[in-house]
Amino acid sequence: AQSVTQLGSHVSVSEGALVLLRCNYSSSVPPYLFWYVQYPNQGLQLLLKYTSAATLVKGINGFEAEFKKSETSFHLTKPSAHMSDAAEYFCAVSYSGNTPLVFGKGTRLSVIA
Amino acid sequence: KAGVTQTPRYLIKTRGQQVTLSCSPISGHRSVSWYQQTPGQGLQFLFEYFSETQRNKGNFPGRFSGRQFSNSRSEMNVSTLELGDSALYLCASSQAGLDQETQYFGPGTRLLVL
Repeated sequence: AQSVTQLGSHVSVSEGALVLLRCNYSSSVPPYLFWYVQYPNQGLQLLLKYTSAATLVKGINGFEAEFKKSETSFHLTKPSAHMSDAAEYFCAVSYSGNTPLVFGKGTRLSVIA
Repeated sequence: KAGVTQTPRYLIKTRGQQVTLSCSPISGHRSVSWYQQTPGQGLQFLFEYFSETQRNKGNFPGRFSGRQFSNSRSEMNVSTLELGDSALYLCASSQAGLDQETQYFGPGTRLLVL
């Protein structure tokens, strides 16, 4: 079965520090990969997605992610954390054939002043 | 364009009751998916509708059902509510439900079962 693993249910960084949220997927076929963010009491908002056009994907709010096939990873990074980045982040994967999104368990990001 | 809207935003029900949640997709979007979000299980796929037909279904009991209307609006119904059905129910829409398409999520309906 397809699965997504997000390492670390909670990550805490200082304001201005590097943000690194990890995502690994299980797949033997090329996937489509997504990162979503969820702020309290809100739905999910797309940060970025990988659809095989380029391995380094830039998203909104200064986030980017790199698709590494050899490592089956799609880690999310941001060079400098802002207080407003505090939220829950979800990595998701889908495959060809109208399959639904499969989400990781999520990583809660805290930003310390 | 208006985003995905869900009504109601909050619901409190008691065990054994049934509930209907509504989702209006972004104009022009024909695919609507439903997800259940709980602290323990995370985000789990319920079902997807496209052109009034259920195209995909997750691993949920038959108490969970849905439908889609000709204007792409969708409803989901949960019958004989159980305490474990307490969750945030999210609806997402996309143009055609293709794998590489972005799904746009609504704010969710928070259901509490007492």
